[in-house]
Amino acid sequence: DAGVIQSPRHEVTEMGQEVTLRCKPISGHDYLFWYRQTMMRGLELLIYFNNNVPIDDSGMPEDRFSAKMPNASFSTLKIQPSEPRDSAVYFCASSFDIGGYTFGSGTRLTVV
Amino acid sequence: QQQVKQSPQSLIVQKGGISIINCAYENTAFDYFPWYQQFPGKGPALLIAIRPDVSEKKEGRFTISFNKSAKQFSLHIMDSQPGDSATYFCAASTSYTGGGNKLTFGTGTQLKVEL
Repeated sequence: DAGVIQSPRHEVTEMGQEVTLRCKPISGHDYLFWYRQTMMRGLELLIYFNNNVPIDDSGMPEDRFSAKMPNASFSTLKIQPSEPRDSAVYFCASSFDIGGYTFGSGTRLTVV
Repeated sequence: QQQVKQSPQSLIVQKGGISIINCAYENTAFDYFPWYQQFPGKGPALLIAIRPDVSEKKEGRFTISFNKSAKQFSLHIMDSQPGDSATYFCAASTSYTGGGNKLTFGTGTQLKVEL
């Protein structure tokens, strides 16, 4: 298995632009998580899905953030409009049942 | 209630020494305690995990010690090597209804192993 695949690896965008981050979880994993990592706040859970259904989005910072999981093999995290304070590394992770997560390599987002 | 407190924030250990990272939790419903290792530019990777029915779990040079009454658990790295230099995160989750599979992470410990 290729693991959790995230794209792009790096994204530089201008303030106000829309940003879409993509994630392909491991086949058979029924949980998918989006995390944001910064030096100041560490790893923050933004939202997670179980069987493609959003379960807890309480970590989504603002209405500018949205996430979808149209099928078991794909999820997106969208920021519209983006702001400089959104600059961070965004991780997607997947897992099955109650178990350890497998993280992707992350997307480093820079908003200028 | 959902916090996991991790210490120290950073740690420098000599090669061959023992690295010890501690975590404490509040939610008594937590029943799964993993440790993750993260190298620069990479995502966290599961290192070792424990459930509260045992007090210790060992995998190679890595050992988790678990104290249920104190609500504390720790990671011990024996014979620390420069290749162990990374950021380590403790975490906890609950399998009870409503807990989903949501991990609560500690704030991380940057470990540096010096020659």
